[in-house]
Amino acid sequence: RKEVEQDPGPFNVPEGATVAFNCTYSNSASQSFFWYRQDCRKEPKLLMSVYSSGNEDGRFTAQLNRASQYISLLIRDSKLSDSATYLCVVGETDSWGKLQFGAGTQVVVTP
Amino acid sequence: DTAVSQTPKYLVTQMGNDKSIKCEQNLGHDTMYWYKQDSKKFLKIMFSYNNKELIINETVPNRFSPKSPDKAHLNLHINSLELGDSAVYFCASSLPGGLDTDTQYFGPGTRLTVL
Repeated sequence: RKEVEQDPGPFNVPEGATVAFNCTYSNSASQSFFWYRQDCRKEPKLLMSVYSSGNEDGRFTAQLNRASQYISLLIRDSKLSDSATYLCVVGETDSWGKLQFGAGTQVVVTP
Repeated sequence: DTAVSQTPKYLVTQMGNDKSIKCEQNLGHDTMYWYKQDSKKFLKIMFSYNNKELIINETVPNRFSPKSPDKAHLNLHINSLELGDSAVYFCASSLPGGLDTDTQYFGPGTRLTVL
């Protein structure tokens, strides 16, 4: 079983619409959670950290459900530039930054 | 003002050759990493160094040998390249430990193709 599982998509989203997707993680001891964004043939870049109480950064909202071991990302008012692969990332605090990456969820925003 | 840089960006080589990829970061971070992203897009950690000391060494063939001459550099040498080594290799760096300091900054990647 993979440590971090994501729906690969693609999620085809009309511009201006809302899209949401989850990822599940297997290690209940995980302490840190992130969403990274990876554009085609580029490096991953941090989109946002995910906190227990949930957090928002502009049009992006992240939620963490520790009991069910999943993280979600919601994108409101989608822009064409939001088209990318979104990587769910889970880490253990005591493991010197060892992060487990999901394979990513592809989002395609269409005009 | 490149934060994490890697060279070369592309590397095409024959099976059996030995090659190196270099990584440098100017962020003042203490921890550096090597990741492999295969064709299925999974990003898997290979190695991590903290202040020139190896701290994460995943199950990686010993044909792969990282070297950290100082905390700003982490190079990856690969001996006897195999077809299955074809992938994108990303270098990354971060401050050590802690929740908020786990943010990792990635280099642009080195696309290795073994023929």
